[in-house]
Amino acid sequence: GESVGLHLPTLSVQEGDNSIINCAYSNSASDYFIWYKQESGKGPQFIIDIRSNMDKRQGQRVTVLLNKTVKHLSLQIAATQPGDSAVYFCAETGRNTGNQFYFGTGTSLTVIP
Amino acid sequence: EAGVVQSPRYKIIEKKQPVAFWCNPISGHNTLYWYLQNLGQGPELLIRYENEEAVDDSQLPKDRFSAERLKGVDSTLKIQPAELGDSAVYLCASSLAVTGELFFGEGSRLTVL
Repeated sequence: GESVGLHLPTLSVQEGDNSIINCAYSNSASDYFIWYKQESGKGPQFIIDIRSNMDKRQGQRVTVLLNKTVKHLSLQIAATQPGDSAVYFCAETGRNTGNQFYFGTGTSLTVIP
Repeated sequence: EAGVVQSPRYKIIEKKQPVAFWCNPISGHNTLYWYLQNLGQGPELLIRYENEEAVDDSQLPKDRFSAERLKGVDSTLKIQPAELGDSAVYLCASSLAVTGELFFGEGSRLTVL
């Protein structure tokens, strides 16, 4: 199967600081990437996506950066809040995988008040 | 707008017993997915439907798992007989297009004793 991995399994940040969650992917043909947030006992929730023809995309307090050269994806959360505490997954897909989404293991983000 | 609805949310059974999970996708979403999520891991695809057709079931353990989506709307995932290793969260997701964002339900947590 495809390899979508995260550099850090856990991350703790102080409330108000910025958070950066990283993700490495192995399929150079992947052309669509999504970051999901999963709170305890709930299903994954869409945060932001990016297609391979872009390097950066911004949402409300979140930014996704895509570096296709090194096959790296990152999620930046500005002014992290306690409600941001959750597990974050990156997912990739592409035509050569039949548009199947592959999810990474996840990074657990804990925001310290 | 109602999201993806799954039931039951929790199920505890003894090994060798059957179990079934139900999913109703977002209205108008033709693509439906069943994912398996083990503790601390990302979701793994079991089966994907385009309308009523299973277009990707290569990772579904067909000796004990079955799924159906008879009218191209709601879907049922069945395990018979259940084994201890089947304890996990079973997530249903739907998307408007095969290349689009996945919307997840809250999941069905199965515990096999």
